[in-house]
Amino acid sequence: AQKITQTQPGMFVQEKEAVTLDCTYDTSDPSYGLFWYKQPSSGEMIFLIYQGSYDQQNATEGRYSLNFQKARKSANLVISASQLGDSAMYFCAMREGTGNTDKLIFGTGTRLQVFP
Amino acid sequence: AAGVIQSPRHLIKEKRETATLKCYPIPRHDTVYWYQQGPGQDPQFLISFYEKMQSDKGSIPDRFSAQQFSDYHSELNMSSLELGDSALYFCASSLYPETGASGNTIYFGEGSWLTVV
Repeated sequence: AQKITQTQPGMFVQEKEAVTLDCTYDTSDPSYGLFWYKQPSSGEMIFLIYQGSYDQQNATEGRYSLNFQKARKSANLVISASQLGDSAMYFCAMREGTGNTDKLIFGTGTRLQVFP
Repeated sequence: AAGVIQSPRHLIKEKRETATLKCYPIPRHDTVYWYQQGPGQDPQFLISFYEKMQSDKGSIPDRFSAQQFSDYHSELNMSSLELGDSALYFCASSLYPETGASGNTIYFGEGSWLTVV
């Protein structure tokens, strides 16, 4: 079963508008972490934001915020005031397991296009 | 701040050749992960190391091997290369997750582009 689901293959947003990228996850482990990464066309994988399963408040990092709804197992990324440079592929990922089984599992990604 | 360093950035090899990718983790990070990302795909976990010992293994072909050295750098060795091995290979590093999965961020290098012709 897919552990990380990103149902939006592509999204368009106008510059300066906000956009929400969806992510749902599936795990039975009570301890896990959720990450969002940005991958521009140049290929590098850039860390954006992190949410731990025990965190009480939604994570925020500058223009990025994570709408964490634990009961619904969703961890949507909100980008406020979009910029042309935000155009990229965005991956949601879950870190589960401890010790030897720790690793990141990625969703299929959402390609965001920001237009003027 | 220092990031994860990968080399080479680009590599072109012929079928059946061998390739070696190198990774230098962020200083003081003790865990290294290798991922493979095919064209239009999400990254797939290959293998991970903690304190120079292999800790987990994913969908890594038997033709591939990896190790982590005493200075914590890691190398991914790929032999008998096939056209399907053409991909972007990422190395990532983190601190060991002492208290479960939540906590330490996993940082990625810029990736090594491997093209097999």
